[in-house]
Amino acid sequence: SAVISQKPSRDICQRGTSLTIQCQVDSQVTMMFWYRQQPGQSLTLIATANQGSEATYESGFVIDKFPISRPNLTFSTLTVSNMSPEDSSIYLCSVEARGVNYGYTFGSGTRLTVV
Amino acid sequence: AQKITQTQPGMFVQEKEAVTLDCTYDTSDPSYGLFWYKQPSSGEMIFLIYQGSYDQQNATEGRYSLNFQKARKSANLVISASQLGDSAMYFCAMREGLGDSWGKFQFGAGTQVVVTP
Repeated sequence: SAVISQKPSRDICQRGTSLTIQCQVDSQVTMMFWYRQQPGQSLTLIATANQGSEATYESGFVIDKFPISRPNLTFSTLTVSNMSPEDSSIYLCSVEARGVNYGYTFGSGTRLTVV
Repeated sequence: AQKITQTQPGMFVQEKEAVTLDCTYDTSDPSYGLFWYKQPSSGEMIFLIYQGSYDQQNATEGRYSLNFQKARKSANLVISASQLGDSAMYFCAMREGLGDSWGKFQFGAGTQVVVTP
């Protein structure tokens, strides 16, 4: 299965600032997925990132707030812009797993606290 | 509409005992996959077990087994011989379709499991 390195693992940020989260995959993948997990909640898909095209955002998420870059087939970034305390969440990137497991492989997550 | 339902928000289980985590799902697609993930307090999502809708046998992976009851649309996770390291949030998830037509993941609300000595 793919191995994903996600950075930073956690951060505490001031409201109004932005944070960029990076995910590096050890193999080429077509799609990368970004999730948000608010405290005590389940995972919510933010967007799907394809290399060479604009990310596809889910309902309730907009590019101005969560810009995504996908410069190549092994790397993606998610920026959380103009943060407020409501953005405090765990952010996870994921890719399709390989082999008989048809699920996703996830990065280790970024635990963001906005103060 | 909620497609994955986990009715147990939290459970306590004693070490070495078995625990069953409930999951029901809703789909009209005959092709789908069911998954269980574990999320420790560190936040990572760890794949545990997969069951395809056409699989005849219940899936097993070590101490994890999936009790798949297709007619009842139920996919309960059984953890045998619980260990302290099993304390985590557990998510049931589903993807509709198969192969090249896999849909997006849909996650349940999760069940928090605490294993006590």
